[in-house]
Amino acid sequence: DAGITQSPRHKVTETGTPVTLRCHQTENHRYMYWYRQDPGHGLRLIHYSYGVKDTDKGEVSDGYSVSRSKTEDFLLTLESATSSQTSVYFCAISESGSRRTPLHFGNGTRLTVT
Amino acid sequence: AQTVTQSQPEMSVQEAETVTLSCTYDTSESDYYLFWYKQPPSRQMILVIRQEAYKQQNATENRFSVNFQKAAKSFSLKISDSQLGDAAMYFCAYRSESGSEKLVFGKGTKLTVNP
Repeated sequence: DAGITQSPRHKVTETGTPVTLRCHQTENHRYMYWYRQDPGHGLRLIHYSYGVKDTDKGEVSDGYSVSRSKTEDFLLTLESATSSQTSVYFCAISESGSRRTPLHFGNGTRLTVT
Repeated sequence: AQTVTQSQPEMSVQEAETVTLSCTYDTSESDYYLFWYKQPPSRQMILVIRQEAYKQQNATENRFSVNFQKAAKSFSLKISDSQLGDAAMYFCAYRSESGSEKLVFGKGTKLTVNP
């Protein structure tokens, strides 16, 4: 267990509303990631962080923003949710900066935008 | 850009038998890492096995082993003595040593284990 908690586990929201998903880790690892999983696409990187207040975009970052004010928390915000953002969102951490280190994933948040 | 292809959307195997899941990738890099992840119905992503591209020896983890063919850009997963608990989605993933930070995933193979 890599000590990753995602909240909420499930959420239903309406189009146009803001949504924030939280990822909390207990291990103080430097690298954290947000992925989304959609049928037929596998997992795709949205944003990642390599330290407090240090973040960068992934391949599907449009419509999303992130913040990391503390080592242990990485927040993903949908400023104005759209139906295309209905997905399962996974947070992941890396125990080191080495690329050979596998990512460990949280249990995911299922988001439905109606 | 790197891509990962899993050509088998679904596979099935009889309990106690062996099954091989295919994965190919496209890259111009020489240093990288390959992973297999398992996702059971619980939705959790679980690391199964990892392979470093610079290692010629194929990785093994108990009943799980890989056939890594660097020149062919192939990274297949063999599951021996299949168990009911092996039923899951399996994802192949690629990570560059020096390029993009992201882990690139294939679209997955759904494995069914028949009793």
